[in-house]
Order: sequence, then structure tokens, then C-alpha cells
Amino acid sequence: ETGVTQTPRHLVMGMTNKKSLKCEQHLGHNAMYWYKQSAKKPLELMFVYNFKEQTENNSVPSRFSPECPNSSHLFLHLHTLQPEDSALYLCASSDYYNEQFFGPGTRLTVL
Amino acid sequence: TQLLEQSPQFLSIQEGENLTVYCNSSSVFSSLQWYRQEPGEGPVLLVTVVTGGEVKKLKRLTFQFGDARKDSSLHITAAQPGDTGLYLCAGPDSGTYKYIFGTGTRLKVLA
Repeated sequence: ETGVTQTPRHLVMGMTNKKSLKCEQHLGHNAMYWYKQSAKKPLELMFVYNFKEQTENNSVPSRFSPECPNSSHLFLHLHTLQPEDSALYLCASSDYYNEQFFGPGTRLTVL
Repeated sequence: TQLLEQSPQFLSIQEGENLTVYCNSSSVFSSLQWYRQEPGEGPVLLVTVVTGGEVKKLKRLTFQFGDARKDSSLHITAAQPGDTGLYLCAGPDSGTYKYIFGTGTRLKVLA
């Protein structure tokens, strides 16, 4: 498999549930990113990891918890989310200061 | 803070027409990328421009990087319904792993 993959593609969860989003990159990149994209809004950067170390947390609420066990895998753990957290969650990877490559996204709906 | 402004925000045209989308900044970028995003999917990288004045062509799409590396344009010749989508310009935030994304241009090509 090539590029950046994300699972699941669609997720519906209640406000009391705990779920995780998974991202895997097969490009040999050293940096990975989580973005949130709400309807008709610009991309919002959430977290940046460089060589497994978190280098950016863009004031994201603690109900979102990222995990980066290695340079190829990135998780976003979700718990006690709110309906306004419903959005398309995108993962991306890049090599140093070069262009980012995105996964297909996870469409999250919080009931 | 580096910003990227895109214009127009929305564009609805007939199949076969030509169009140009602009991406402007007051800051110098080491490179700029153009992405196309379809609903519910992640942005797909179209091109990267690096050198001031550079012109790149991708079939009916022509990308240009300004001489001062502060702006870029995307020209589509004879637009087709398959060109419909959200077009994003982006560039690296100097000295960080963050990316600056433009405000986006939502294009609809009518058959």
C-alpha cells in the first residue's frame, strides 16, 4: 500500500464513547499531522509530530489525545466528544520542509 | 504570521470556459503547493513551485510562481465538470513544520 492511509473512513459515536482514529504513512516521511476540517471552514491544524516527538499542539481540547508510536503511525484518541467536534479529520505527512501528503480523511459524526 | 489569501472564494462557470485562481501573500515563501479537494476526501497535491517565475503545466492546468515568491496563480483552460472541487494553495511556515493554507477557492464547472 502506498501514500497515507486512514481508518476508519466513517465513524459515528456518542458523546460518552471512546474511539481512536488511525493514520499510517508509507512514504518514509519524518513528520505527521492531524487537521480538522469543518463544513465550509479552512483546515485547522491540531497536532504536529516530528520523529515521534510532538512539536505542535494548536490549543486542542484534552478530549483529543494524539499518539505517535513511530514515524509511520499516528493515532487520535477521542473521548467525551461534543457534537461540534463532528468534522472531517485529516492526517498528513511530510519530509522536513517539503510538501504535505494527505490521507483520505475520517468523517466523524458525534451524536 | 504568514498568510495566504485566495481569490475568488467561489467560482461557478460553464464547461469549456477558462479561469484563473490567485494566491497572494505579503510574505516570501520558499515554495508553494496547490491542492484539489473533493467533498469528503483529503486534499490531493497537484504541483509544487519552488523557483520565482516558475511555470508548470499539468494537462489543462498551468501554475505560476511569482518572481518575488509571494504569490501564485492557477489557470485552467477549457474547464470540465471533473475540475469541480476546492482548490487550496499552501506553503511552509518558515523554520517550522507547520503549513500555511490559503482560504480556498470553491470551483463548480457546469456541464
